[in-house]
Amino acid sequence: GAVVSQHPSRVICKSGTSVKIECRSLDFQATTMFWYRQFPKQSLMLMATSNEGSKATYEQGVEKDKFLINHASLTLSTLTVTSAHPEDSSFYICSASPAVQGLAGADTQYFGPGTRLTVL
Amino acid sequence: GQNIDQPTEMTATEGAIVQINCTYQTSGFNGLFWYQQHAGEAPTFLSYNVLDGLEEKGRFSSFLSRSKGYSYLLLKELQMKDSASYLCAVLNSGGSNYKLTFGKGTLLTVNP
Repeated sequence: GAVVSQHPSRVICKSGTSVKIECRSLDFQATTMFWYRQFPKQSLMLMATSNEGSKATYEQGVEKDKFLINHASLTLSTLTVTSAHPEDSSFYICSASPAVQGLAGADTQYFGPGTRLTVL
Repeated sequence: GQNIDQPTEMTATEGAIVQINCTYQTSGFNGLFWYQQHAGEAPTFLSYNVLDGLEEKGRFSSFLSRSKGYSYLLLKELQMKDSASYLCAVLNSGGSNYKLTFGKGTLLTVNP
């Protein structure tokens, strides 16, 4: 149980184009989804947290107009990198949790397999 | 802010035991996770500690001391497939949100 998928696994695009990455929880309802970015040999950095049906909460330094997040259902969240540039090339990983943000307790986050984005 | 430190790299021999340490400084502590990450793949959950003490799960054990801001992951009977990065992550509460802050990871190489 607790499987999270991401699509696509790899994407190469030209500078200036937009790329959409999907994150799906396959066997549970994900009240909360998280988007991370990982540069080579670096740790995972949280970009934003989203709850189903509400606006995402972005971390400091992450441009909300550039990284559009939609969490329209309990099983799907999308991250759109708009007007991508080579410096956006990274490993993007989503995770999903059945827990509702703000409630006590610490449910495990289940990670997707990641999406390797290369912007030429 | 958050500060999580763990060694960058470690090397061990197949069949041996290795301990990976993690120290942290944080506010709003709500638990500590260990994840395993193979190159180019997403992290997989290994353990979660929120109370002081040792949690044992098969060949892997994790220890937490909240007063010292310290945790370790103990891997026994090492196998070649254990070669991976091991990520220490602290769960914090800040306002109405809970979030994970990751260390940079410890790259473990298991030699035959």
